[in-house]
Amino acid sequence: EIVLTQSPAALSLSPGDRATLSCRASQTVSSYFVWYQQKPGQAPRLLIYDASKRATGIPARFSGSGSGTDFTLTISSLEPEDFAVYYCQQRSNWPLTFGQGTRLEIK
Amino acid sequence: EVQLVESGGGLVKPGGSLRLSCAASGFTFNSYSMNWVRQAPGKGLEWVSSISSRSEHILYADSVKGRFTISRDNAKDSLFLQMDSLRADDTAVYYCTRFEARNTGPDEYWGQGTLVTVSS
Repeated sequence: EIVLTQSPAALSLSPGDRATLSCRASQTVSSYFVWYQQKPGQAPRLLIYDASKRATGIPARFSGSGSGTDFTLTISSLEPEDFAVYYCQQRSNWPLTFGQGTRLEIK
Repeated sequence: EVQLVESGGGLVKPGGSLRLSCAASGFTFNSYSMNWVRQAPGKGLEWVSSISSRSEHILYADSVKGRFTISRDNAKDSLFLQMDSLRADDTAVYYCTRFEARNTGPDEYWGQGTLVTVSS
């Protein structure tokens, strides 16, 4: 099973700041890699697929990068609605696995 | 508009059974793989099971293998999860989701989730 480790576990920033979230895989994964955003009481929302492609309706301030074992989600300038929990997921190998999440909090 | 609506959650005793349903609409159901993902209270996401469009490929997480059974009825645009021998650590919100693991496009859909509570 591929283990995904997200860092940091929590990130405290202000609106307008740049956020960089990391996800490291225990072994090499292909580009079948996604990022989700989840707000309290809501289902997760797909942000990034294939490591770097934005899902439908996702603002350009969200970007994904990485390959191999290291992947990054960057939010270029935080908006108030961006404070949420973010999860990475690999879809390269079964079982599909998620990272434990990064909580993005308002400073 | 694509909609996924789960039902069937509730309170069940350890060792009991429950059958979750997911009613799909707004897309050609028999063309897509479907999945169940769960989230324990206050915890992260866990993939549970996936089924291909014509049920030819079925996969389970080790944590549920042998106890849960995924199925679908393409004539009724419905996805199911039969959960037997339930344990306390199966307590979670269960989401029905539409995605293809190796062909993820820009559009992906999740239901609102149904809560399963396993407790005596």
